[in-house]
Amino acid sequence: SQELEQSPQSLIVQEGKNLTINCTSSKTLYGLYWYKQKYGEGLIFLMMLQKGGEEKSHEKITAKLDEKKQQSSLHITASQPSHAGIYLCGADAHSGGGADGLTFGKGTHLIIQP
Amino acid sequence: DGGITQSPKYLFRKEGQNVTLSCEQNLNHDAMYWYRQDPGQGLRLIYYSQIVNDFQKGDIAEGYSVSREKKESFPLTVTSAQKNPTAFYLCASSPQGLGRPQHFGDGTRLSIL
Repeated sequence: SQELEQSPQSLIVQEGKNLTINCTSSKTLYGLYWYKQKYGEGLIFLMMLQKGGEEKSHEKITAKLDEKKQQSSLHITASQPSHAGIYLCGADAHSGGGADGLTFGKGTHLIIQP
Repeated sequence: DGGITQSPKYLFRKEGQNVTLSCEQNLNHDAMYWYRQDPGQGLRLIYYSQIVNDFQKGDIAEGYSVSREKKESFPLTVTSAQKNPTAFYLCASSPQGLGRPQHFGDGTRLSIL
C-alpha cells in the first residue's frame, strides 16, 4: 500500500519568514492534494497536483510536484499568523480511476511566532 | 451555500453501546467517505461509497458499519465491537473520478464515558 511521509512533523517559524513542508511517497503519485486543518476542525482544500513538474500557487502558498511524481513540497512565503495549523498531504490510491479514498500523511504542525 | 454537515460535533458513548454519526452533503457529489483521525496518525479511511446502495471497506473498517440509502447521506455507526472508538471522525465527499478533490465536514469528536 502507498505511504506518505511528511517532514518536518512540526515547525515553529517567526512571522514573516519563509518555510517549506515536504511530502514523500513510496510509490508514484497519481494525484497529490494539500489540505490545511485548524485544530479540531475539518480539512480545507488548498491545491491539487497531477503532472510531473507541476507547480501551483495561491496567494503566498506554492506547491510543487517533482518530475518523478514521488515528492511534493509546499512553500509559504512571508508567513502570517493565519498560516498556522496542520498541513496534510493526501494522494490518490492508484491510477485506475474511481473514488477510492485518499491516503494521507501524518501532517505537519505549523506554529507562527509573532 | 453547498457543503457537508456532520452532527453532532461532540458525542459520548457508553460501554457496549452503538452510536451513529451523521453526514449530509448538498454538493450533489456521488462519492462519500469516512475517515478517522488520531493524534500523530493522520487520517485513515474507514469506509467509502461511490454510488447509492454501494459501499466498500477502507483500511480500518472493523467495528464500524455504514449505509448509503440516499445520495446526500452517509451515516457511520460505531459498534460495540470497536474497542478503541475515541477519535475525531471526518466525513468527506467528491465527484467521481481522479483529480477531484474531496470536501470535508467539520468533524465529530467521539469519546468514551
